[in-house]
Amino acid sequence: NAGVMQNPRHLVRRRGQEARLRCSPMKGHSHVYWYRQLPEEGLKFMVYLQKENIIDESGMPKERFSAEFPKEGPSILRIQQVVRGDSAAYFCASSPEGFSKGYGYTFGSGTRLTVV
Amino acid sequence: AQSVTQLDSHVSVSEGTPVLLRCNYSSSYSPSLFWYVQHPNKGLQLLLKYTSAATLVKGINGFEAEFKKSETSFHLTKPSAHMSDAAEYFCVVSPFSGGYNKLIFGAGTRLAVHP
Repeated sequence: NAGVMQNPRHLVRRRGQEARLRCSPMKGHSHVYWYRQLPEEGLKFMVYLQKENIIDESGMPKERFSAEFPKEGPSILRIQQVVRGDSAAYFCASSPEGFSKGYGYTFGSGTRLTVV
Repeated sequence: AQSVTQLDSHVSVSEGTPVLLRCNYSSSYSPSLFWYVQHPNKGLQLLLKYTSAATLVKGINGFEAEFKKSETSFHLTKPSAHMSDAAEYFCVVSPFSGGYNKLIFGAGTRLAVHP
């Protein structure tokens, strides 16, 4: 079991470019969560997705950020027109269907985005 | 509203001495509580979790935590620190709402272990 796979591990973008972060959940997991960790801070919830559905995007910035989890393929977090303040570590977690209280998430190793 | 407060941003101990990382939570529901560890430039690893069973929870690498409802605390302890324990530790609350678990992270405690 390969665990939650995120790529790339490191991503450098110039201001104004687009960043695409990918997350493949654990085998058998159909729920994906994205979290952002700004420097010297804890992780903050961004969005929760199930296959082809966004369940909760209350933590997503209103502009430039979007997420999807298609029927086939990985979940994608997309940041358009990146700015320096988007520099952070972005973590993906997954959980099995029928998630219930007490299940721990499985986190990926994160993508560290640097905007120059 | 749910929240987590980690009372110390940095803790420094000598190898072989006890570790205490403090965490207080606020939750309107009966929460699940977790401790995660993050080594430099690595992902998050689950140390232990409390899910309304035994109040003293044992985790990996000799860590344990005690859920104290009256004090709304979930402090992490280890009897004897090892150099490899140096890392960032996050206390996390997971209130049961909306049918799924949105994790709420504390700001983290950076543990340094000196020889």
